Amino acid sequence: EPEVTQTPSHQVTQMGQEVILRCVPISNHLYFYWYRQILGQKVEFLVSFYNNEISEKSEIFDDQFSVERPDGSNFTLKIRSTKLEDSAMYFCASRPSPSQPQHFGDGTRLSIL
Amino acid sequence: AQSVTQPDIHITVSEGASLELRCNYSYGATPYLFWYVQSPGQGLQLLLKYFSGDTLVQGIKGFEAEFKRSQSSFNLRKPSVHWSDAAEYFCAVGAYNTNAGKSTFGDGTTLTVKP
Repeated sequence: EPEVTQTPSHQVTQMGQEVILRCVPISNHLYFYWYRQILGQKVEFLVSFYNNEISEKSEIFDDQFSVERPDGSNFTLKIRSTKLEDSAMYFCASRPSPSQPQHFGDGTRLSIL
Repeated sequence: AQSVTQPDIHITVSEGASLELRCNYSYGATPYLFWYVQSPGQGLQLLLKYFSGDTLVQGIKGFEAEFKRSQSSFNLRKPSVHWSDAAEYFCAVGAYNTNAGKSTFGDGTTLTVKP
């Protein structure tokens, strides 16, 4: 069964540095998402992306964050000037159509030192 | 705004006993409802989903859930729990048939299974 692939599985970054989290959605999917889960807390929506633009974003997704689909297969989340509180598990998700559920990747654990 | 409440933070059951995890949602239109399971340090695995049709839905691993519109609930059940079911369970509500279609998750319920 096709899967959403996220790399790296664990990223350690110094505070203030920029980080790019990468996702390869399932190949025929058109709708893409990023979520974050701070350790021990619930999964929170960050942003949805369709047709090369952001469809919706949460209040968490401020100017520090950006998303991009640089080619036909990757979907990236960039976090500029990282802060300690950005430490979390970041999940990518995709779905083929609005009537289908999202498929989640295994996540990237981001640790800010 | 959509929201999900999982009233039970932690549940402990004995292996072989039945299980029910509660979920209440708030959503302005017809909800798209999900249950996910997450093992420590792992991703989210979809157990089952509901949008329309039969209000009792079957999922993987022997789980089922019942949608009750009048109670705004979508409780997850399993007749006989296995030790491998110990994990975190998340209920989520999503928008159906919209380009955005974000999912909103509950706080989760941690399931411990006693031998």
